[in-house]
Amino acid sequence: TQLLEQSPQFLSIQEGENLTVYCNSSSVFSSLQWYRQEPGEGPVLLVTVVTGGEVKKLKRLTFQFGDARKDSSLHITAAQPGDTGLYLCAGLYVNNQFYFGTGTSLTVIP
Amino acid sequence: NAGVTQTPKFQVLKTGQSMTLQCAQDMNHNSMYWYRQDPGMGLRLIYYSASEGTTDKGEVPNGYNVSRLNKREFSLRLESAAPSQTSVYFCASRPGAGRKPQHFGDGTRLSIL
Repeated sequence: TQLLEQSPQFLSIQEGENLTVYCNSSSVFSSLQWYRQEPGEGPVLLVTVVTGGEVKKLKRLTFQFGDARKDSSLHITAAQPGDTGLYLCAGLYVNNQFYFGTGTSLTVIP
Repeated sequence: NAGVTQTPKFQVLKTGQSMTLQCAQDMNHNSMYWYRQDPGMGLRLIYYSASEGTTDKGEVPNGYNVSRLNKREFSLRLESAAPSQTSVYFCASRPGAGRKPQHFGDGTRLSIL
């Protein structure tokens, strides 16, 4: 069983569309990170959210941490082909280890 | 900057063979990690080392052993490879405990026939 579930698992959209990726758990995390991974490479950190209800923006990407610190979302506005990749959430659990979500594979079609 | 370096990048083994995956970081990080990545399952922690001289089991340690050789190097050993261990293996490091992010290598793609 996964501590963090992501949805959707796969997403294929046209350039210019908006999308939201969800990361859900029944457990509380002290912080949550979002990573992006390209084929043949390791994950690269996008953002860390710490406080319940926190919203962070990174250009066209908006990240939100749930009020109860059990869930998070990533919203991309006007998606571009360069956004294509695997998006992973990772929560810092009470045992001080990171648990990764199941991943969302995004394809943006020009 | 090298960051986290993993060797080899690709490997094919036969069932029952053994091998060691190497990982080295040049960022003076205290903590190092080994993950495996399988389709639809994200990354799962195999073993980690919070500091030089210590190692602990993660979510999926069975069939693996690790060695924290020094502060820079953390190796993962498969003593008797099984087809279920076919996966992409990632090494990561971070400065220490808390919210600081992990830095990942580019992975080792391992196939066991």
